[in-house]
Amino acid sequence: KAGVTQTPRYLIKTRGQQVTLSCSPISGHRSVSWYQQTPGQGLQFLFEYFSETQRNKGNFPGRFSGRQFSNSRSEMNVSTLELGDSALYLCASVGTGSDEQFFGPGTRLTVL
Amino acid sequence: AQSVTQLGSHVSVSEGALVLLRCNYSSSVPPYLFWYVQYPNQGLQLLLKYTSAATLVKGINGFEAEFKKSETSFHLTKPSAHMSDAAEYFCAVSRMDSSYKLIFGSGTRLLVRP
Repeated sequence: KAGVTQTPRYLIKTRGQQVTLSCSPISGHRSVSWYQQTPGQGLQFLFEYFSETQRNKGNFPGRFSGRQFSNSRSEMNVSTLELGDSALYLCASVGTGSDEQFFGPGTRLTVL
Repeated sequence: AQSVTQLGSHVSVSEGALVLLRCNYSSSVPPYLFWYVQYPNQGLQLLLKYTSAATLVKGINGFEAEFKKSETSFHLTKPSAHMSDAAEYFCAVSRMDSSYKLIFGSGTRLLVRP
């Protein structure tokens, strides 16, 4: 079965712009989490969605937002981009009754 | 609160040598512990997990880890390193109650010398 897919894989934006990243979980998975990976801060939890509801949120400014659709696909949005938002954004999904998170390949965002 | 500490940002071993990557955790509740591997330009792949069953956990690619509550450790080992093991390894902890949120360590880059 297909894994977690993320689009786009690479993105270049300039400061002040906004960006939307997409994540399609494994078929049947209802939980989607997002993580930011940077060389300085490592892997940090952004937020988690389950059945279209945000279940948990990390310590990020309000410029970072997300949502989940009825088909479990998720998007995250970053407004007013800053240079420090340059990172690899990873999405992970979990099946009901499982404890294993399956990660997508990530979206590499570069802010110039 | 939960946290994870990985000792050593870089570990270098010779091919065929023992691999030992260290992970210590802090958790106020019984933790779920995970080791993930990340190859360049890829996402994370689960190597193994501890979820309160057997304390010695065997994973993929010949890796295993032992949960030691008294030492709050969950070190990753492999008896014989292979060149293909060169990658970055992350230890993570989760409460696994009402959320799947993972808290990651800072990662250890494993270098394998021929």
